[in-house]
Amino acid sequence: AQKITQTQPGMFVQEKEAVTLDCTYDTSDQSYGLFWYKQPSSGEMIFLIYQGSYDEQNATEGRYSLNFQKARKSANLVISASQLGDSAMYFCAMRELTNFGNEKLTFGTGTRLTIIP
Amino acid sequence: EPEVTQTPSHQVTQMGQEVILRCVPISNHLYFYWYRQILGQKVEFLVSFYNNEISEKSEIFDDQFSVERPDGSNFTLKIRSTKLEDSAMYFCASSEVRGPRDEQYFGPGTRLTVT
Repeated sequence: AQKITQTQPGMFVQEKEAVTLDCTYDTSDQSYGLFWYKQPSSGEMIFLIYQGSYDEQNATEGRYSLNFQKARKSANLVISASQLGDSAMYFCAMRELTNFGNEKLTFGTGTRLTIIP
Repeated sequence: EPEVTQTPSHQVTQMGQEVILRCVPISNHLYFYWYRQILGQKVEFLVSFYNNEISEKSEIFDDQFSVERPDGSNFTLKIRSTKLEDSAMYFCASSEVRGPRDEQYFGPGTRLTVT
């Protein structure tokens, strides 16, 4: 079963507009973490933002904010005032416990964001 | 700012050959991971490593794969006899702690091409 669902395979957004990238997750854990990573065409994975399941406030990091709706199990990434350099693949990921009590990140399929000048 | 490094950035090998992908995690980190991303697909967990032993591995991580921390700084992934389907980007990651805020820092990746 899909643990992380990103329903937008691709998005085109005008420069300077805000953009929301959707992410829903499925877990029965009470304690979990949600991450967003950016992957530019060069291939590296760049950490953007983290939200813990017990965090009461939505996480923010500069132009990035996370719209965390726990009851709906969604953790959407909001990028304000988009820039051309924001064009990249974006992955939502969840830290989950394995059956042996270890931890791993489970990733969604990603959203390719293209910023139009 | 400390970072995870990986070498080589790109490796081309022939089917059946052994490859070793190298990673230098951040120095005070204790937990190490390998992930794989087949071109155009999502990132998949391969293995986690702590205290000089594998703590978890996925079904992808079969007997052809092994990991090692040969010294205090390097963390390697070995593929014993590469197959065409091993062609992918391999990411090493490390984290300082394990818990709700265990941000995993990713290296830049090694692109493995098996011909």
